[in-house]
Amino acid sequence: NAGVTQTPKFQVLKTGQSMTLQCAQDMNHEYMSWYRQDPGMGLRLIHYSVGAGITDQGEVPNGYNVSRSTTEDFPLRLLSAAPSQTSVYFCASSFDVNSPLHFGNGTRLTVT
Amino acid sequence: QKEVEQDPGPLSVPEGAIVSLNCTYSNSAFQYFMWYRQYSRKGPELLMYTYSSGNKEDGRFTAQVDKSSKYISLFIRDSQPSDSATYLCAMSEGNTGFQKLVFGTGTRLLVSP
Repeated sequence: NAGVTQTPKFQVLKTGQSMTLQCAQDMNHEYMSWYRQDPGMGLRLIHYSVGAGITDQGEVPNGYNVSRSTTEDFPLRLLSAAPSQTSVYFCASSFDVNSPLHFGNGTRLTVT
Repeated sequence: QKEVEQDPGPLSVPEGAIVSLNCTYSNSAFQYFMWYRQYSRKGPELLMYTYSSGNKEDGRFTAQVDKSSKYISLFIRDSQPSDSATYLCAMSEGNTGFQKLVFGTGTRLLVSP
């Protein structure tokens, strides 16, 4: 099992550009989520999904879109990147909402 | 004020020392309490979790929860250089399980040989 795979590992965007951060898991986990990690702020929940076709907002959802068309994939879309979205993004999954999260190794995004 | 407070460190100790890492919180609805370890350029990995109050031990690691004081601790015995990492506490309300975690900012631990 590869676990939780995030691509790309690094990305530099210009303000206003769009991109999709990819997240895939091969553990047949129902629950998936996206967090961002910023210095002095800790990890903060952006969006989460309890299963295919179901998504919901977390603490900091503005500027991000998600969809969950399959159990395995949970992409995070930035429609118009802003410097405030410079961060490290982590995808996480778990068997269900009462099971511990498994994290990917992150995507480091810089918006100039 | 943040819901979860954690001293960022760094905390420097010699090999073999007992390490104490702590978090305080303000939300009395928190029921799940977790400790994650994060190495540089890696994702967090779960060390331990507890539900409600009490202690839990796993090898060299002991987690304690004091809900009356809104205070949780992680103790590491016989610390090793490989324990050098950032330790994140995380919590969630009872009705959300692991769905919506609130994290501390992390404490950086350095264990010198």
